[in-house]
Order: sequence, then C-alpha cells, then structure tokens
Amino acid sequence: EAEVAQSPRYKITEKSQAVAFWCDPISGHATLYWYRQILGQGPELLVQFQDESVVDDSQLPKDRFSAERLKGVDSTLKIQPAELGDSAMYLCASSLGPSKGQFFGPGTRLTVL
Amino acid sequence: KNQVEQSPQSLIILEGKNCTLQCNYTVSPFSNLRWYKQDTGRGPVSLTIMTFSENTKSNGRYTATLDADTKQSSLHITASQLSDSASYICVVSRMDSNYQLIWGAGTKLIIKP
Repeated sequence: EAEVAQSPRYKITEKSQAVAFWCDPISGHATLYWYRQILGQGPELLVQFQDESVVDDSQLPKDRFSAERLKGVDSTLKIQPAELGDSAMYLCASSLGPSKGQFFGPGTRLTVL
Repeated sequence: KNQVEQSPQSLIILEGKNCTLQCNYTVSPFSNLRWYKQDTGRGPVSLTIMTFSENTKSNGRYTATLDADTKQSSLHITASQLSDSASYICVVSRMDSNYQLIWGAGTKLIIKP
C-alpha cells in the first residue's frame, strides 16, 4: 500500500541551528500539506501546496520557516534558525485534491535544545 | 468562529467494553467531517469521512454518526481492543477554495486489560 514518506523520523538540534525535513507524498497526489503538532493538541497547518504552488501559508512563520515543492512532487520544510518553541512533531500529508481525504506520513519529531 | 470541540478530553475503559466519543462543531460552510485515529508518535490515520447527507458510516468496529442540523458527530467503538488505545481526532472541512480543515484537540482513549 502506498504511503507518505518522511525523513528524518527524529531530529535533535541546538537553538539557532538550521534544520530541514523531507516529505515524499503518495504518487499522483497533487495536494501536499505540512503540519506542526504540539503534544496534546491537534495538528496546525503550516503550508498547503497544490502541485508546486503554495495555496495557503497563512500560519507559516515566514521569518524562520520556508517550504518548497519545486517539481510538484516531494517537498522540503526548513527552519532557520530553530528556536526552543519549535520542538514538536512535524507531519506531512498528501491527498488527490483539497476536498479528498488526507494520508499522513509518520512524522518527524524535532527537539530543540 | 470556526471551532471543533471534542469530549471527553480523555477516557479509560476496560478491554471489550464499548465507548462513544463526541464532537461538536461550529464550522461553516460545511463540506465534510472526518474522524482520525492517532497512535502515540505516529501520524493520524483516517477512519471515516462523512458528507452533509450521510448520517452513519462504519469502518469495522468504528461507527461514526453525523447530525448536520445540530452540528454534532459521535464515534462509537464496539468491543474495544488494547490496540484501540490512541487519540481520536474530529476534523471538519470547510467548503472554501482550499477546503480548510478545522481540527479538534482529540480524545485520548486508554484501553485497560
């Protein structure tokens, strides 16, 4: 069964360092999402792509976060510089379209020291 | 304001027992309502998706109901198993250009032997 792939699964970094997360969606899924989830809360949407275009990044802290999906397939989320408050689970999801069900990857657990 | 509220916040039941989780929403305009199961440290997995016209949808031992008039949904789990221990998240999709998802905070369910 096709799955959304994410790497790394775990990342520990010191504050002010740069970190990057990678996501490979299910083949054929045009819509890709990056979420941040703090323990005990629901996921918070950071950015939504339709193919290679950003359609919603209203909650993305643009002073330190960036996301790209250059060829409309895999995607990278970057944080520079990382802050203590960025410690969270970063989830990637994909879907055939924005109205369709989302499939989530296993997530990247980020710890900022 | 678009909100999704879930109750209870947490629940402990014995293996083999049934339970019902609640979801109330004030999201408008409504597109669909989704229930996700999220194991600790993993990404959410979709259980059901219901549109306005659907009152009930089942997925194995999971049965979701939707009352679009009162804006309430429930997830009923029958004959619980230890593997049902997880967080269950209710998500409502808005009928807008990006089908924005409004996430609940989840109900943490613990099944005890």
